[in-house]
Amino acid sequence: DGGITQSPKYLFRKEGQNVTLSCEQNLNHDAMYWYRQDPGQGLRLIYYSQIVNDFQKGDIAEGYSVSREKKESFPLTVTSAQKNPTAFYLCASRKDRASNQPQHFGDGTRLSIL
Amino acid sequence: GQQLNQSPQSMFIQEGEDVSMNCTSSSIFNTWLWYKQDPGEGPVLLIALYKAGELTSNGRLTAQFGITRKDSFLNISASIPSDVGIYFCAGAGGTSYGKLTFGQGTILTVHP
Repeated sequence: DGGITQSPKYLFRKEGQNVTLSCEQNLNHDAMYWYRQDPGQGLRLIYYSQIVNDFQKGDIAEGYSVSREKKESFPLTVTSAQKNPTAFYLCASRKDRASNQPQHFGDGTRLSIL
Repeated sequence: GQQLNQSPQSMFIQEGEDVSMNCTSSSIFNTWLWYKQDPGEGPVLLIALYKAGELTSNGRLTAQFGITRKDSFLNISASIPSDVGIYFCAGAGGTSYGKLTFGQGTILTVHP
């Protein structure tokens, strides 16, 4: 089946540790996105990538980093500089960066602090 | 950044009742999207709207793209228990390269 796969489903981080969340899509989509979701709030954009080897900061990029070395993969690293990392992280993709095609989402990774 | 005001924040209804929720924006959007999120899962697209004034249905769901381009509403008719979840509106502007601005969500609870 085609889709967006996020892993792991649950992740725990120790103080001072960097952790990486995986996002893989087999939809041949050009653009990929990372969002953070906190209780009672809408989704906030962390980073996005419209094409391989290019990415842009979203609204809350501080403490996060990404890479886009392959079209199908867009991993997110939550660094130790992110002081409040506990949240639900969602990855999304869309087919064409220039069109109005909607974004489709993975099932998320829940990150907690030990 | 842009803000979307989604209301109501939560709704508690009886099975069989109709539901209405809306989003308003201070800015103009070219696209309005409505998503539903079940607990512990990612949002799933319900309806996409691309033209001002457009009225689109998907089963018991109906959504409209406001004529001013600054608002949208979603109606659910004859609610059932599986309609429970969080509903999000999202808007995209013409130069945002697909970046979405999300509302805060409407939490829907349906009592059997």
